[in-house]
Amino acid sequence: SQQGEEDPQALSIQEGENATMNCSYKTSINNLQWYRQNSGRGLVHLILIRSNEREKHSGRLRVTLDTSKKSSSLLITASRAADTASYFCATGNTNAGKSTFGDGTTLTVKP
Amino acid sequence: GAVVSQHPSRVICKSGTSVKIECRSLDFQATTMFWYRQFPKQSLMLMATSNEGSKATYEQGVEKDKFLINHASLTLSTLTVTSAHPEDSSFYICSAFHSMETQYFGPGTRLLVL
Repeated sequence: SQQGEEDPQALSIQEGENATMNCSYKTSINNLQWYRQNSGRGLVHLILIRSNEREKHSGRLRVTLDTSKKSSSLLITASRAADTASYFCATGNTNAGKSTFGDGTTLTVKP
Repeated sequence: GAVVSQHPSRVICKSGTSVKIECRSLDFQATTMFWYRQFPKQSLMLMATSNEGSKATYEQGVEKDKFLINHASLTLSTLTVTSAHPEDSSFYICSAFHSMETQYFGPGTRLLVL
């Protein structure tokens, strides 16, 4: 079964608005990563947050991690049409170990 | 930055034939690579862990005789779909760790079995 579960499954917003996606997981983790996938393409690594970190920023991205609730959120601020994609969270348990993916959130940013 | 390539990007084959997909780490060595499968509008499902110089580790429910994995060098892993059938049609993606934490994915190979 999948470790991570994202919600919402689909999100549609206007350009300039913020988009928030959530990810929940079941077991202990060493890190959690967020990826973006454009339709029919491979995955692009966005950000990694370690289990001892609570928040991390990268450009317009802000990721939070709450290990007590086993959840993470990805916030994209001032969204752009180019942000339209599917976003996945993946949990990592050991160094260079395999990751398990959630079902993803499909984000549509309307111009 | 670290780059992982896959070849071919797209393949169409007849039912019963075998198809080989290559995954290469272009500017770094990867002792471990992963193979995923993704159906339309679904998430990635890990198929197997490819270990350089040793046998691959398959996830539960993945037939090792159906999906042959060879990791002959530190920069190349291959996935061979043997005796492909229409239900094997999917998007196959490989990944490799550049550092111990950051996983880089290939662009994927779309397989269509007629």
